[in-house]
Amino acid sequence: SSELTQDPAVSVALGQTVRITCQGDSLRSYYASWYQQKPGQAPVLVFYGKNKRPSGIPDRFSGSTSGNTASLTITGAQAEDEADYHCNSRDSSDNHYVFGPGTAVTVL
Amino acid sequence: EVQLVESGGGLVQLGGSLRLSCAASGFTFNSYEMNWVRQAPGKGLEWISYIGGRGGPIYYADSVRGRFTVSRDNAKNSLYLQMNSLRAEDTAIYFCAREDYGDFRPLDYWGRGTLVTVSS
Repeated sequence: SSELTQDPAVSVALGQTVRITCQGDSLRSYYASWYQQKPGQAPVLVFYGKNKRPSGIPDRFSGSTSGNTASLTITGAQAEDEADYHCNSRDSSDNHYVFGPGTAVTVL
Repeated sequence: EVQLVESGGGLVQLGGSLRLSCAASGFTFNSYEMNWVRQAPGKGLEWISYIGGRGGPIYYADSVRGRFTVSRDNAKNSLYLQMNSLRAEDTAIYFCAREDYGDFRPLDYWGRGTLVTVSS
């Protein structure tokens, strides 16, 4: 099955911009989806497809893809954005979905 | 309002069985494909199973294939996961998640999860 890789952790100063990346072969065929997860809570979809943001998600969240790398950018990070961010995509092999290991974002 | 509520988790012995349920409301359940995703303590998310809106097709992750069985009862707006031959590494929070329509098919709504602990 395919694999997705993510940096384990990143930090960003309050109000600054942070980019979270996700790499994997499946991203050459499928767009990534991004999920925010705060401690003890269920994941929340924050961005997906080429440029889709679910209703209620602030427009400071944006995404992009290039080759085998998908990125989630938070422009003007807020304290409430501190969370784990997971990427996933459809799987090029026989599994349906694959998730990355997640990136912990700290807002300083 | 879309709601997904998992139940059925608990403490089970190594090699034992457990059946999880996910009660759906706020949308036309039989029109949506559903997934189970789990998260071991302190770890990332792991997709484990998918089921189509009418009960097929069905897919499993390699880690659970042959031991877990996903099913749904559209008349009851419910999704199920029968887990047999449980292993220590199956200890996790189990989430059910709805798969959205369209080209990109994200998991757009999630339940809060139910904790399964496999103990020796």
